[in-house]
Amino acid sequence: SYVLTQPPSVSVAPGQTARITCGENNIGSKSVNWYQQKPGQAPVVVVYDDNDRPSGIPERFSGSNSGNTATLTISRVEAGDEADYYCQVWDSSVDVVFGGGTKLTVL
Amino acid sequence: QVQLVESGGGVVQPGRSLRLSCAASGFSFRSHAMHWVRQAPGKGLEWVAAISFDGSEKYHADSVKGRFTISRDNSKYTLYLEMTSLRAEDTAVYYCARDPNTVTAWILDYWGQGTLVTVSS
Repeated sequence: SYVLTQPPSVSVAPGQTARITCGENNIGSKSVNWYQQKPGQAPVVVVYDDNDRPSGIPERFSGSNSGNTATLTISRVEAGDEADYYCQVWDSSVDVVFGGGTKLTVL
Repeated sequence: QVQLVESGGGVVQPGRSLRLSCAASGFSFRSHAMHWVRQAPGKGLEWVAAISFDGSEKYHADSVKGRFTISRDNSKYTLYLEMTSLRAEDTAVYYCARDPNTVTAWILDYWGQGTLVTVSS
């Protein structure tokens, strides 16, 4: 099976940079999407196809993907960025798979 | 603007059936693949099913294969999820989500607010 591994939590001070990882063997060969979910709300895509941003998503959100790790980077973190973040890929064996999610805490 | 509104959730006994609907507006529904994703209380996201723009291609997660069926009515701008033989572990908020492509790009670019399904005796 295909399992995407994310750290359960990441903490960062306002104004600093948060990096959330998503690991799986050879994930660099796949396209990774990232979703932000705030409490009580539906998820929102913040990065797709590794490093593209939908319109309306701040440039502070960026992605990278190489080897066995994909990374969502949030620069100049703000209190409003506090949320759960999920990575997601398509794999022929399981179709869509999500990572377990990472809770971003802004200190 | 793109709107997706799910309905049909509720409390259902194990072994029974339920049909969820997702009413779409603000975009050309017939030009997009669509997905269902669920989230158990306090847990992460789990993809459930996807369907191509014209309904000719359907995909279901192994956890629901043979029990759940995704379908769509483009004339009604509505997506469906027929759920049978429900189990306690199917308890979740069910979201419908749009795919940016006609056949699946496997990106979920707009989501509804979800409908809660509780399977309990």
